[in-house]
Amino acid sequence: DQQVKQNSPSLSVQEGRISILNCDYTNSMFDYFLWYKKYPAEGPTFLISISSIKDKNEDGRFTVFLNKSAKHLSLHIVPSQPGDSAVYFCAASAKRPGAGSYQLTFGKGTKLSVIP
Amino acid sequence: DTEVTQTPKHLVMGMTNKKSLKCEQHMGHRAMYWYKQKAKKPPELMFVYSYEKLSINESVPSRFSPECPNSSLLNLHLHALQPEDSALYLCASSPLGRGLRYGYTFGSGTRLTVV
Repeated sequence: DQQVKQNSPSLSVQEGRISILNCDYTNSMFDYFLWYKKYPAEGPTFLISISSIKDKNEDGRFTVFLNKSAKHLSLHIVPSQPGDSAVYFCAASAKRPGAGSYQLTFGKGTKLSVIP
Repeated sequence: DTEVTQTPKHLVMGMTNKKSLKCEQHMGHRAMYWYKQKAKKPPELMFVYSYEKLSINESVPSRFSPECPNSSLLNLHLHALQPEDSALYLCASSPLGRGLRYGYTFGSGTRLTVV
């Protein structure tokens, strides 16, 4: 059962335009939602997060929107730059029962290509 | 220091070899993780250590043996691996006791090839 879903494996956007990456989830107990960026042969890098009690968080060119009723979040990148080309993973945090620690559950990722 | 350092970056090993992956962090994080990532797949959780004790083992085969010698170090001992174990192995760390607002800090990974 996939609790975090990214249904678009890839996305191509022209430089300067908006990139919108989408993510759906099923578990209502997630407390934070996060976006990671990953280049080939490197570890994922934290980009931005949003609390489950918020509906928007902005950091520079990156904005994450959360729609709790639809169990949907999206990452907007404006304006898109060629250096943004990478795989973007959506992740969600929840406390692991009996373990005392929080755990991230990842989506399958969306490969963003920003075309100059 | 805001990094997680993994060594080696690349490792090729035979199916009868014994090798170890190493991970180090000096951020004072008391949770450390091992993830496995195959191409075009999300990272898959293998082990979680909380306060240097193993708290989660995601039914990982015994040919993978984790070890946490102290709060800064995490090892993954490998023995009698199979070619299908070839993957990028990621170490991560995070604070304990509160939600993952800033997620994990990941290392750059060890690219393992089993021949």
